[in-house]
Amino acid sequence: GESVGLHLPTLSVQEGDNSIINCAYSNSASDYFIWYKQESGKGPQFIIDIRSNMDKRQGQRVTVLLNKTVKHLSLQIAATQPGDSAVYFCAENLAGRRALTFGSGTRLQVQP
Amino acid sequence: NAGVTQTPKFQVLKTGQSMTLQCAQDMNHNSMYWYRQDPGMGLRLIYYSASEGTTDKGEVPNGYNVSRLNKREFSLRLESAAPSQTSVYFCASSESSANQPQHFGDGTRLSIL
Repeated sequence: GESVGLHLPTLSVQEGDNSIINCAYSNSASDYFIWYKQESGKGPQFIIDIRSNMDKRQGQRVTVLLNKTVKHLSLQIAATQPGDSAVYFCAENLAGRRALTFGSGTRLQVQP
Repeated sequence: NAGVTQTPKFQVLKTGQSMTLQCAQDMNHNSMYWYRQDPGMGLRLIYYSASEGTTDKGEVPNGYNVSRLNKREFSLRLESAAPSQTSVYFCASSESSANQPQHFGDGTRLSIL
């Protein structure tokens, strides 16, 4: 696959553990946030999103937490599986803009 | 469902050559986007089209042009390729351009020698 993410921060967890991936966003005026998963050789895959009027949103095995006070976003993955191994990106949408701004990503490695 | 389809998947060009990257979506989305992704970096927006008939520059538009051919198709053209444009290019689409998840294709891996 392509050499995406050569120098990414890496989170290594054991299969079955919970994972927490963190993201600091840049603009207090951002009103929409989204998490993507990217596997080697593939395009980013939508996981979950959250609007700025919410603090928490849950999906299947995933939870996104938003702390607007410190401009921090986190993705929690419950009972992490080997198939969760990938690079995870957060993205923000600045209010009034029409496009997302992506972070640089975190690599999640799940050890069997 | 195909979702977002990009062609070609791989391409090697010589400096100065031109090329058009094709993108089509079958989700009836209004907005479409072109990004590039370089090693160790997130995606950077090149151009986007909020709706059919409109295009706007993103963060890194220099050296590229786009055409929103119709609601389904959004192409990216390199008029005179440079080695700095070696990258993985992703096309995405969303229902609208505001506060909606974007859905991505699997990319075009472009090398310029």
